[in-house]
Amino acid sequence: DAGVTQSPTHLIKTRGQQVTLRCSPKSGHDTVSWYQQALGQGPQFIFQYYEEEERQRGNFPDRFSGHQFPNYSSELNVNALLLGDSALYLCASSLYRGIGTSPLHFGNGTRLTVT
Amino acid sequence: AQSVSQHNHHVILSEAASLELGCNYSYGGTVNLFWYVQYPGQHLQLLLKYFSGDPLVKGIKGFEAEFIKSKFSFNLRKPSVQWSDTAEYFCAVNAGGGSNYKLTFGKGTLLTVNP
Repeated sequence: DAGVTQSPTHLIKTRGQQVTLRCSPKSGHDTVSWYQQALGQGPQFIFQYYEEEERQRGNFPDRFSGHQFPNYSSELNVNALLLGDSALYLCASSLYRGIGTSPLHFGNGTRLTVT
Repeated sequence: AQSVSQHNHHVILSEAASLELGCNYSYGGTVNLFWYVQYPGQHLQLLLKYFSGDPLVKGIKGFEAEFIKSKFSFNLRKPSVQWSDTAEYFCAVNAGGGSNYKLTFGKGTLLTVNP
């Protein structure tokens, strides 16, 4: 059991469409991070949410946006999908204190295929 | 910018062989270092972490890693691998601590252990 749950597990979309991915953090965690893992690559940081605000953002375009709800769950939205957005999207939760004291716990991911 | 290099893309060993997976990072300041493992069909799991103190850290399942600051390295070792160690291994760095909440991952090393 991952503790972090993501939905859906798989998704197929067409170029230009929009997609929303969902994440529930591990019980007791208040911070959610999103990562993109392309085939054959390590996960890449998209952004992190804490207290319903984006706390840090990686090198991703504005087409990628997110939201965190009062119950700490989170959504990742991607607009105007490109073929290159096909990847495994990972959600990770932790405590607000930061990676130095609270390592990330990952979910199983959502596999997004853009055709 | 922080980056991580993992030298081996795919390592194949027989059971009872010793393992060493290389990891180098590029950042001159304070770092937090991690090894994550992804078993087939499972989520990324924390194997071990280094924050400060003793540069030799021990993790789960008999794994250990040594932080060598002068070499910017954090190699993973295990004296005797088992078939159940077959998995993908990711080295990751969090550079600077403080207000930096992102992990930068290497591309991963796929370990295959033959019985």
